[in-house]
Amino acid sequence: GENVEQHPSTLSVQEGDSAVIKCTYSDSASNYFPWYKQELGKGPQLIIDIRSNVGEKKDQRIAVTLNKTAKHFSLHITETQPEDSAVYFCAASTVSAGGFKTIFGAGTRLFVKA
Amino acid sequence: KAGVTQTPRYLIKTRGQQVTLSCSPISGHRSVSWYQQTPGQGLQFLFEYFSETQRNKGNFPGRFSGRQFSNSRSEMNVSTLELGDSALYLCASSLGLAPDQFFGPGTRLTVL
Repeated sequence: GENVEQHPSTLSVQEGDSAVIKCTYSDSASNYFPWYKQELGKGPQLIIDIRSNVGEKKDQRIAVTLNKTAKHFSLHITETQPEDSAVYFCAASTVSAGGFKTIFGAGTRLFVKA
Repeated sequence: KAGVTQTPRYLIKTRGQQVTLSCSPISGHRSVSWYQQTPGQGLQFLFEYFSETQRNKGNFPGRFSGRQFSNSRSEMNVSTLELGDSALYLCASSLGLAPDQFFGPGTRLTVL
């Protein structure tokens, strides 16, 4: 079946460094790729997304890249801050006339050390 | 605009009981999706409702069911609870025509 692989499962960086999280998806029909941040005791929060007709998107310190040929996409966080510490999930959605279906990666726990 | 709300936030049940969880989407959103989150399995899709109709369903047993009302509010029901049903149940809403989803805080269900 369809799946999304996410690496690494844990990432520890020094404050101010960059963090990169990578995901690979299997369903070639996937056309929407969101990233979520989940803090302790809260639901996932959408932080950035990219659609299949775009190769890169940036929002301040966060950027996402997509390679449809290789079926992988990545999240880049620059100038990390302690408040970036959380679990990050990538996802791949397939949109059709019948609605959409979203598969999530297993998550990456990011620690930013002050 | 108010976000997605879920009630109750915490529930403790015993095996064999049933439970109903509620989700109120963001105003104007017509699609509600439900997910089960556990440490071992991550975020798994249960089902999605749009305009009171189930559009998509994940691979969960029939003990898991849901419905959506005309005001887009949704409920999820789990019958004959098992220990393995202990999880955080998340609801997400979207306009329905695109998959941009916004999550609620979740309901933490513990089955003893």
